[in-house]
Amino acid sequence: QMHLVQSGPEVKKPGTSVKVSCKASGFTFSSSTVQWVRQARGQGPEWIGCIVVGSGSTKSSQRFQGRVSFTRDMSTSTTYMELSSLRSEDTAVYSCAADGLSGVLPGAQNGLDVWGQGTTVTVSS
Amino acid sequence: QTVVTQEPSLTVSPGGTVTLTCASSTGTVTSAHYPNWFHQKPGQAPRALIYATSNKYPWTPARFSGSLLGGKGALTLSGVQPEDEADYYCLLRFSGTWVFGGGTKLTVL
Repeated sequence: QMHLVQSGPEVKKPGTSVKVSCKASGFTFSSSTVQWVRQARGQGPEWIGCIVVGSGSTKSSQRFQGRVSFTRDMSTSTTYMELSSLRSEDTAVYSCAADGLSGVLPGAQNGLDVWGQGTTVTVSS
Repeated sequence: QTVVTQEPSLTVSPGGTVTLTCASSTGTVTSAHYPNWFHQKPGQAPRALIYATSNKYPWTPARFSGSLLGGKGALTLSGVQPEDEADYYCLLRFSGTWVFGGGTKLTVL
C-alpha cells in the first residue's frame, strides 16, 4: 500500500515560516517526484512546486519563487516544504502527492497517484 | 501566468454521457502537456483518474476515458453513476511546472 503521511496542523503568525513534512512508504521513494499542492477553503488545488527525490532538483510556481523551498531526507523517505514570509492568504490545506506508480505503469511518472492527507496551515495574527 | 480553464459546472443525468474539457491560455493542449484528471469529493483529497492524456490507473472505473478534443484535454464519463457527482480538476504540465484548472462541478441529476 502506497502512503504519504504528513505532519500535523500549524498555526503561524504573518511574516513567519512553516515547514511541512511528508513521509513516504510502499513505493520506491528514491525514484519518485513529490509535488506540493495547496487548496484554500472552497477553492481548487494550486500547484506549488516539486522535488525530484533522486537528484534533489526542485521547481516551483512563479507565484512562490523566493518564498518556498523543498528538501528531502533519503534516510527517512521524507520530503519537506518550507514556505516563508507567510501572509493570511497562505491559509490553506497543503498536500504532498507523488508518482508512486512510476516504474510500474508506463508513463506514470507524469501523474500524481498517491496523496497525503493534507496539513492545515492557518496564518493569523 | 498560464491559465488552465475548465467548465465551471455541468449537469448530467444518471446513465448519460458527459465530456469535461481543459483549455490552456497558451494555445492547443497536446500530449506534451501530459493532461491529468482528478476528482474530489467534499472533505477528501483529490483522487487521480487519468494521467498522460488517456492512461488509467488500476482503480479508475472503465466509464472514465481521457483524450484530446478540439485543442483541449478532455475527460468523458459514459454511463454516469450517482457517485460520480464531484469536483473534477485537470492538471497540465508546462516545461516542468504544472498548473491546475479551476475545476468543474459535476452534478448528477
